[in-house]
Amino acid sequence: DQQVKQNSPSLSVQEGRISILNCDYTNSMFDYFLWYKKYPAEGPTFLISISSIKDKNEDGRFTVFLNKSAKHLSLHIVPSQPGDSAVYFCAARSHTGKLIFGQGTTLQVKP
Amino acid sequence: KAGVTQTPRYLIKTRGQQVTLSCSPISGHRSVSWYQQTPGQGLQFLFEYFSETQRNKGNFPGRFSGRQFSNSRSEMNVSTLELGDSALYLCASSLGPESPGGYTFGSGTRLTVV
Repeated sequence: DQQVKQNSPSLSVQEGRISILNCDYTNSMFDYFLWYKKYPAEGPTFLISISSIKDKNEDGRFTVFLNKSAKHLSLHIVPSQPGDSAVYFCAARSHTGKLIFGQGTTLQVKP
Repeated sequence: KAGVTQTPRYLIKTRGQQVTLSCSPISGHRSVSWYQQTPGQGLQFLFEYFSETQRNKGNFPGRFSGRQFSNSRSEMNVSTLELGDSALYLCASSLGPESPGGYTFGSGTRLTVV
């Protein structure tokens, strides 16, 4: 029972263009959504989050959008840089505080 | 401030053996969670400890167990290892279960079962 899904295993974009990573969830009780970035041989690092009462949160080149009616969130990276190449995980926080992660999307930004 | 420390970084074990992994959280963090990462499966939740008590448990067999000590350090144990247990095991700490902003992860322990 995958409550958080990232249906695109990989994404490739050109440097300078927009990267859009998508995530769907099934549980309307999640109260917080987060994005993590992971490089090989390192643990995931926190990128940006959004509360379920908001629909947008922006931090520099990173913006997260939440569409509660569609149970969908997305991460926009503008402009994309080669250093953004990594695996991106979305996560949702349950009412017990547990973080449930998606399968991850590998982003490749080509110079 | 030191980050989350996981030891060892790499481990090779034989089927049937047991293994213990260690996690030292960020100083002051009292919540520790464990995740298993395998290709295509993302991060699968194992369990979460807060103040030495297990608060949440994922859908893993009883061969996977854990504990937390009074200094918040945590260990996870896997008994009767199987080839499918080969994975990256990640530990994450936070101030508490309700702390916003999620967790801080360690670099993980790469377990290979042969």
